[in-house]
This record gives sequence, C-alpha cells and structure tokens, in this order.
Amino acid sequence: RKEVEQDPGPFNVPEGATVAFNCTYSNSASQSFFWYRQDCRKEPKLLMSVYSSGNEDGRFTAQLNRASQYISLLIRDSKLSDSATYLCVVTADPGGSYIPTFGRGTSLIVHP
Amino acid sequence: GAGVSQSPSNKVTEKGKDVELRCDPISGHTALYWYRQRLGQGLEFLIYFQGNSAPDKSGLPSDRFSAERTGESVSTLTIQRTQQEDSAVYLCASSLGYGTINNEQFFGPGTRLTVL
Repeated sequence: RKEVEQDPGPFNVPEGATVAFNCTYSNSASQSFFWYRQDCRKEPKLLMSVYSSGNEDGRFTAQLNRASQYISLLIRDSKLSDSATYLCVVTADPGGSYIPTFGRGTSLIVHP
Repeated sequence: GAGVSQSPSNKVTEKGKDVELRCDPISGHTALYWYRQRLGQGLEFLIYFQGNSAPDKSGLPSDRFSAERTGESVSTLTIQRTQQEDSAVYLCASSLGYGTINNEQFFGPGTRLTVL
C-alpha cells in the first residue's frame, strides 16, 4: 500500500463547478499536511497547509480527518486557471527527520 | 526576495558520463531536499539535509547518486556513470527547518536531465 494515495483523475469540470479531491495516508504518526499545486512542466508550489480544524482560503477549503486518515481539498467556482495537478503532501517525524511524502497528484482540467 | 535557484536548467549528457546539479536554497533555510520527477510521475524523495546533522540519504536509488551541502548553503547532487533511466527533472526544495509550522517547502525550477 502506498503511503500517500490520490486519485490521479483527470477531473474534467466546467467553469464555475465545485470539485473535491481526497488523499489518504497510511502513517498514523503523520503531523503535517499540505496541498501543493503543480502546473505543467513547472515546480510545485504551496497551495495551502491543512490544519486539524480545517481551513479556508478564498475558493479553497482543506479538511483533515485524522480518524480516517485522509485530507481533502474543495475548490468552489472553478476557474480555467485552476487547471493543474494537485499534490497531497504528508510529513511524519520519525525521530526528528522531516521527510515529506508526496502523492502522485490529481489532475484537474477546467474547461469553458 | 530570491527564491530557490537551480543550475543548469537543462542538461543533456551521454550515457556513462558524470553530471553535477546545483541548488541554492533560500537564505536562512536550514532544510534542503532533493527530489526526482520522471515524466508524468510523482515526486520521488532522494536526500534531505537539516542544518549540520547527518543527511538522510534513504531515498538515493543507487551508489551512483551522492549529494553534498556546505553548511546551510549550496548543495550539489552528483550522478556518476549516468544511465538513461536517470533522465528526469531533479527538483530541489528548501524550508525553514524543524517544526510542523516550518516545513513548508519552496521549490526551485528544477534541472531537466536527459541522458542519451
């Protein structure tokens, strides 16, 4: 079983749609959770951290469910510019070494 | 301010040659990571440096791969006797360091390595 799993998609949605991605992780000792965005042939960039209480940044909402070991990302009112690959990142702390584990990403295509 | 920089941006080499990739992290960032991303694939962790601690090399795929870092500054990733399967984008990232609020990673633009 992979440590961090994501549905690769692609999710193909019209502008204005609401879309949600889930990401499951296997290490119950995981402490930090992030969503990164990666555009085609570009480096990943942080979209948002995921806090235990859930957090929102404009059209983006992230949730963490520790009991079920998954995080989610909700995008409301999708824009064409949201088209990208969304990477789930989970970090544990095995004795002080923060090695992030990346999911393989979920591809989102927003069409007119 | 300056972000993470990497050089060269592109490298084409012949099978069997050695290559050296460079990463300049953000000033003040104590943690530095190297990743490999093959075309259409996810990020594969290679090595992690944290301050003056011994690096975590658990992700290096073979003994042909090595990396060094001078203090909390520049890092170089060396691949000896390159093989065609080494072709990938090599990404470097840095972060402030320890702590759950400090390990947001900032990525460089990557070095695209092509082994002919």
